[in-house]
Amino acid sequence: DTGVSQDPRHKITKRGQNVTFRCDPISEHNRLYWYRQTLGQGPEFLTYFQNEAQLEKSRLLSDRFSAERPKGSFSTLEIQRTEQGDSAMYLCASSQNSGRSRFEQFFGPGTRLTVL
Amino acid sequence: GQQVMQIPQYQHVQEGEDFTTYCNSSTTLSNIQWYKQRPGGHPVFLIQLVKSGEVKKQKRLTFQFGEAKKNSSLHITATQTTDVGTYFCAGPRSKLTFGKGITLSVRP
Repeated sequence: DTGVSQDPRHKITKRGQNVTFRCDPISEHNRLYWYRQTLGQGPEFLTYFQNEAQLEKSRLLSDRFSAERPKGSFSTLEIQRTEQGDSAMYLCASSQNSGRSRFEQFFGPGTRLTVL
Repeated sequence: GQQVMQIPQYQHVQEGEDFTTYCNSSTTLSNIQWYKQRPGGHPVFLIQLVKSGEVKKQKRLTFQFGEAKKNSSLHITATQTTDVGTYFCAGPRSKLTFGKGITLSVRP
């Protein structure tokens, strides 16, 4: 399977714990995005990378959230001191950096986080 | 900030009926994209519109970008049960702002 993969697919944690999610993009894609989606809403942009550089971060993202893409390949999203309001589906997407399809984003299956 | 609006959020049609939904932006968009998300699935890219007044077709789906590049429409001819899902418009470019989507259900 050469699509975007995410791990884990489901995560249940207790309030106050830290969690880390991983995303492996399509191999030739330079850009990687993180979104959060709650029931009845569209995906909400969190942050995106071009290669290893984090180009933009949503102003809605608290400092408990951090994302990295150290080698320009896979990325991790960490949430510290989780709160019940962090419960959501966390989606990763990737895209090419050039060409006609450069803005087409390919989404992974998501990681569903439940904070108890 | 930029807002992308899709109203209503739900629509129910009888199989075989046509379906049209609209997307409106508070600002002019350089481009607009449409995604489909099946129940329990993830968003899947359908189309990107770039030019003012652009119309693109994919089988029974017709997408249009408004002349002022502030709205877009999706029309499905003769809906089928496979069309069930939530359709999102989003724009522009890389940092996508998604609408709330419209969830389409089709009665067989």
